[in-house]
Amino acid sequence: GESVGLHLPTLSVQEGDNSIINCAYSNSASDYFIWYKQESGKGPQFIIDIRSNMDKRQGQRVTVLLNKTVKHLSLQIAATQPGDSAVYFCAEKGGESYNKLIFGAGTRLAVHP
Amino acid sequence: DADVTQTPRNRITKTGKRIMLECSQTKGHDRMYWYRQDPGLGLRLIYYSFDVKDINKGEISDGYSVSRQAQAKFSLSLESAIPNQTALYFCATSDFETSGRNEQYFGPGTRLTVT
Repeated sequence: GESVGLHLPTLSVQEGDNSIINCAYSNSASDYFIWYKQESGKGPQFIIDIRSNMDKRQGQRVTVLLNKTVKHLSLQIAATQPGDSAVYFCAEKGGESYNKLIFGAGTRLAVHP
Repeated sequence: DADVTQTPRNRITKTGKRIMLECSQTKGHDRMYWYRQDPGLGLRLIYYSFDVKDINKGEISDGYSVSRQAQAKFSLSLESAIPNQTALYFCATSDFETSGRNEQYFGPGTRLTVT
């Protein structure tokens, strides 16, 4: 719910602007990354993923960039809309075979009209 | 997602009580997970199961137990609830993909309050 967004870093943007949400990951052996969106009162919802053999992947209005040199992941949202307001999480999967995801703490995106 | 359901959606219980949270999925996935979410800490893995006969501890399993009753059902129990188990609990499922992807599908969550 809304309490999930408290105490998180917040990015405030104007409607129509582009948003960039950043994430630093910890494991240099991670080979797969996901961005999730969590709206108030709901579970996380898949947005886009990227494998470590890529440095960029595009979806509808979203782009994920991966910089393995500095272990950095970013999510770019074009023409941000009020419906994009949510908490965004990055998650990494290690190179191990059991496919567990490790989630970041999240960033709250607030879109203002 | 309606494909992953959790019951109850909200629960208030007292310290020391035993409580069970249930998760069902219609996605036909083999893998199921339980997470807890606390403000500012993201999602932390409690337990996961890769099939009915496979149960594994996650990073914060102390004070919790799970049961995989069927491929579609995975329940989480708090044997003796304590206030610091107050949190949002999410169930998730995923399918095994040889490509290495691991998109997890989440339920709507259960808000648990231990007084």
